[in-house]
Amino acid sequence: EPEVTQTPSHQVTQMGQEVILRCVPISNHLYFYWYRQILGQKVEFLVSFYNNEISEKSEIFDDQFSVERPDGSNFTLKIRSTKLEDSAMYFCASSEALRGYEQFFGPGTRLTVL
Amino acid sequence: AQSVAQPEDQVNVAEGNPLTVKCTYSVSGNPYLFWYVQYPNRGLQFLLKYITGDNLVKGSYGFEAEFNKSQTSFHLKKPSALVSDSALYFCAVRDPAAYSGAGSYQLTFGKGTKLSVIP
Repeated sequence: EPEVTQTPSHQVTQMGQEVILRCVPISNHLYFYWYRQILGQKVEFLVSFYNNEISEKSEIFDDQFSVERPDGSNFTLKIRSTKLEDSAMYFCASSEALRGYEQFFGPGTRLTVL
Repeated sequence: AQSVAQPEDQVNVAEGNPLTVKCTYSVSGNPYLFWYVQYPNRGLQFLLKYITGDNLVKGSYGFEAEFNKSQTSFHLKKPSALVSDSALYFCAVRDPAAYSGAGSYQLTFGKGTKLSVIP
């Protein structure tokens, strides 16, 4: 069964450093998302991406964040200058355009900012 | 704005007994509702959804959920719990009235309910 994959599984970085989180969505999906889950809190929407552009973003997704689909398979989330409060589990998800509405989630990348 | 409430942080149930995990929602129009399960150190796995049609929807692993519009609820149920059902369960909602032409399907999640099935 096809699944969303994410790399790395765990990223440790120093405050102020740039990080790039990588995702490979399910191959025939056209909508892509990033969510995050701070430890002990609810899963929060960050951004959705369709047709090579951001279609919606939350208040969390400020100028420090960017997303890109650099090729036909990868979908990346970049945080330019990490803060301590960016420490969280980041989930990538994808969904088909026409059939169904469920989003399929990857296993997540745990980001730790020191 | 759409929102989801899961009133119980934890639900404990004996193996073989029926289980219920509660969820209520708030949206401006007719909701699209979802249940996801998260096992330790794993991502979110889709269990089931309600879009339209029958109020009782069946999903993976023997789970089902009942959409109740008057009570704005979408409780997750299973007739006979297994120890392997122990996990974190998330209810999520999408408000199609909030849909924008560019094609966003933002999900709003509840805070999650930890289900423990006791042998």
